[in-house]
Amino acid sequence: DGGITQSPKYLFRKEGQNVTLSCEQNLNHDAMYWYRQDPGQGLRLIYYSQIVNDFQKGDIAEGYSVSREKKESFPLTVTSAQKNPTAFYLCASTPTGTYGYTFGSGTRLTVV
Amino acid sequence: AQSVTQLDSQVPVFEEAPVELRCNYSSSVSVYLFWYVQYPNQGLQLLLKYLSGSTLVKGINGFEAEFNKSQTSFHLRKPSVHISDTAEYFCAVRGLGDDKIIFGKGTRLHILP
Repeated sequence: DGGITQSPKYLFRKEGQNVTLSCEQNLNHDAMYWYRQDPGQGLRLIYYSQIVNDFQKGDIAEGYSVSREKKESFPLTVTSAQKNPTAFYLCASTPTGTYGYTFGSGTRLTVV
Repeated sequence: AQSVTQLDSQVPVFEEAPVELRCNYSSSVSVYLFWYVQYPNQGLQLLLKYLSGSTLVKGINGFEAEFNKSQTSFHLRKPSVHISDTAEYFCAVRGLGDDKIIFGKGTRLHILP
């Protein structure tokens, strides 16, 4: 079955460490997105990419980095510069020219 | 730029009663509108979408929404809710030609026995 796989589902890290969240899709979608979700704040866009080797900052890109070396993969690194990294992170994708997203099941990151 | 306002952060409703979750949007261009549902600790799932044509859109799980251009609204309705409808619901908008979707802050639907 086609879909988006985010791993791991739960992630614990010590403060000051960088951590990379995985997002892989086998839907042949062109565009991929990373959102952060906090209680009561909805979804806020971190980064997005519409083609391989290109990506754009979203509304809250500070403290995060991404890469898009393959169409199927769009990993997100949460760096030590991100002041409050504990959150639920969602990856999404969509084909070019269509209008809705397909979401992964999310990664819950807890920094202690 | 587009924006979305979900007017209620939480909506309690008795099982088998009807429900309406309200959503208003703002945009200077034509829009596509969406409702997504999120169950605890899961990703978002598309309930329904309005792209063009009929303003009454039917989705999964018995939900429907009506696009009202004059009131810039896209309210979600279900005539009779079930305990399994307990979830968070997100309204979202995408402007014509835009490359991303803007989400509202969500409405938690609580089903009371």
